[in-house]
Amino acid sequence: AQTVTQSQPEMSVQEAETVTLSCTYDTSENNYYLFWYKQPPSRQMILVIRQEAYKQQNATENRFSVNFQKAAKSFSLKISDSQLGDTAMYFCAFMKSDGGSNYKLTFGKGTLLTVNP
Amino acid sequence: EPEVTQTPSHQVTQMGQEVILRCVPISNHLYFYWYRQILGQKVEFLVSFYNNEISEKSEIFDDQFSVERPDGSNFTLKIRSTKLEDSAMYFCASSGGLQLPYEQYFGPGTRLTVT
Repeated sequence: AQTVTQSQPEMSVQEAETVTLSCTYDTSENNYYLFWYKQPPSRQMILVIRQEAYKQQNATENRFSVNFQKAAKSFSLKISDSQLGDTAMYFCAFMKSDGGSNYKLTFGKGTLLTVNP
Repeated sequence: EPEVTQTPSHQVTQMGQEVILRCVPISNHLYFYWYRQILGQKVEFLVSFYNNEISEKSEIFDDQFSVERPDGSNFTLKIRSTKLEDSAMYFCASSGGLQLPYEQYFGPGTRLTVT
């Protein structure tokens, strides 16, 4: 079974600064996907960024980027130029890729990020 | 932009009652999921559904739970006899546009309160 660990229950950052959220995972799979989801106070789950394990290049989406270290099983999220609207719970998630019909997500416990003005 | 919708947004029910949570996935998606999140805890997988059958279910998804796609648009989760511990936020998700079957989009959730 896969496990996802987020070791930072809470973090805070000043507006316009950069913050990095940590995530590690444990799996014996070689092919998989990793995701970061954002859950603002409205509690809707919003996909922030994804990374395919077979890709060496780190994914980037505007102010959001990841540092994917496959050997270390590490998948951190960097938020640049933090904005007040980034305040949310951030979940790291794992999905194995076995070519089947199930794409189950396994989530970490989340990191509550607060952006301060 | 297409989105997943869920109804109701909040459901209050008494222990032992049946509830049906409804979801309308994104129209061209092929894979459907239910997750739940007990307050303050992580999101947990319940069940995945593809080609009109369950692909995988978790140990949480016992005989009290069932899913159905009664028509071409709705995807429902039924809890036959609710327990206090079923109180949680229930999220529906869908994926499976032709290119990105693994990219799941979540609905806004249904908050279920069992009293």
